[in-house]
Amino acid sequence: EFVLTQSPGTLSLSPGERATLSCRASQSVSSSYLAWYQQKPGQAPRLLIYGASSRATGIPDRFSGSGSGTDFTLTISRLEPEDFAVYYCQQYDSFPTFGGGTKVEIK
Amino acid sequence: QVQLVQSGAEVRKPGASVKVSCKASGYTFTSYAIHWVRQAPGQRLEWMGWISAGNGNTKYSQKFQDRVTFTRDTSTSTAFMDLSSLRSEDTAVYYCARDQGYQLIAWWGQGTLVTVSS
Repeated sequence: EFVLTQSPGTLSLSPGERATLSCRASQSVSSSYLAWYQQKPGQAPRLLIYGASSRATGIPDRFSGSGSGTDFTLTISRLEPEDFAVYYCQQYDSFPTFGGGTKVEIK
Repeated sequence: QVQLVQSGAEVRKPGASVKVSCKASGYTFTSYAIHWVRQAPGQRLEWMGWISAGNGNTKYSQKFQDRVTFTRDTSTSTAFMDLSSLRSEDTAVYYCARDQGYQLIAWWGQGTLVTVSS
């Protein structure tokens, strides 16, 4: 089973700053079947990135994904107030599994 | 637009069963699989399995395969998740979500809180 480890657990930043979130897989994710989701309190997750680097429909270009194999990164170039949330990575190479999440909080 | 609307919150006693519904609209229901994912309080998202809305084939996570059943009703574009032998650890928000191909989960329902308590 794929295990996804996200770091850091919490990221404290100010609006306008750059956020860099990491996701490491226990084995190589083929064809970059790696997605990122944003979840706000009381809401369902929202798909941001799929295929490691493709933005989902309607996602602003300040969100970008990169990486391959076992190491993946989500970057938010300039944090907007609505970006403070929890972010999960997920692999769908095999039966889907999710990382433990990174909380991006206001500093 | 794609919408998945789930049934309301449920409270059950340990040992009971619960059935959650997920009504789809805005697309051809039989063209995409429906996944079920749960999130216990303060925990990560946990995939339970999927059902092909077209032919009814299912795939269950090994963790749940003895207790969960997915079904669908194509006449009403509704998917169902039935979880039996409930225990307190099953207290969670249960989400249905639509596949976009290759097991990519693209659209989510609003979630259904299931509370298991004596």
